[in-house]
Amino acid sequence: GAGVSQSPSNKVTEKGKDVELRCDPISGHTALYWYRQSLGQGLEFLIYFQGNSAPDKSGLPSDRFSAERTGGSVSTLTIQRTQQEDSAVYLCASIGTASYEQYFGPGTRLTVT
Amino acid sequence: DQQVKQNSPSLSVQEGRISILNCDYTNSMFDYFLWYKKYPAEGPTFLISISSIKDKNEDGRFTVFLNKSAKHLSLHIVPSQPGDSAVYFCAASGTGANSKLTFGKGITLSVRP
Repeated sequence: GAGVSQSPSNKVTEKGKDVELRCDPISGHTALYWYRQSLGQGLEFLIYFQGNSAPDKSGLPSDRFSAERTGGSVSTLTIQRTQQEDSAVYLCASIGTASYEQYFGPGTRLTVT
Repeated sequence: DQQVKQNSPSLSVQEGRISILNCDYTNSMFDYFLWYKKYPAEGPTFLISISSIKDKNEDGRFTVFLNKSAKHLSLHIVPSQPGDSAVYFCAASGTGANSKLTFGKGITLSVRP
């Protein structure tokens, strides 16, 4: 009965390294979103998975960003060759059917040094 | 171009008084609006929502008002409590559940004891 979980909670990485962020949505939720919140900014949409449909990747800021959702459940957001401007809190949210209300995880705070 | 705008970055209110948080949007295709509350180091949590067919929705101390002609909504909290101190995000969605949410930048509410 747990909510959305994300790991790690904090990640510090050196510029140029790759990172993987994980999201475990609420069981049975069909849709999953990734957002990021940079300092002083709102929630920026990154990517959206809905069931077996092709993901909406329109929010990914560059081709260094990619995400996948295996088995319709767990999702991984990968950032290759990280840059300092990638530093942000990355939030995952899942949503059940016929609902507008997204349930957010606690986020992963990424710091690129 | 920001489609959901929260123009005031912060608001400070005395405990027991009313807090009014404002939000403006530009996209006339939005037809569902939500407010989320976020505490530090936690993900946003859903607070209250309103469909475009209504102009008011009330839940306990929280009321959301929607003025479609002005493309404006507001969240009223009365009476305000110190535990209400958080960042409040306004979000809007297009037609159909599971539609992508567009968030504002948030407003930091401080309720003084």
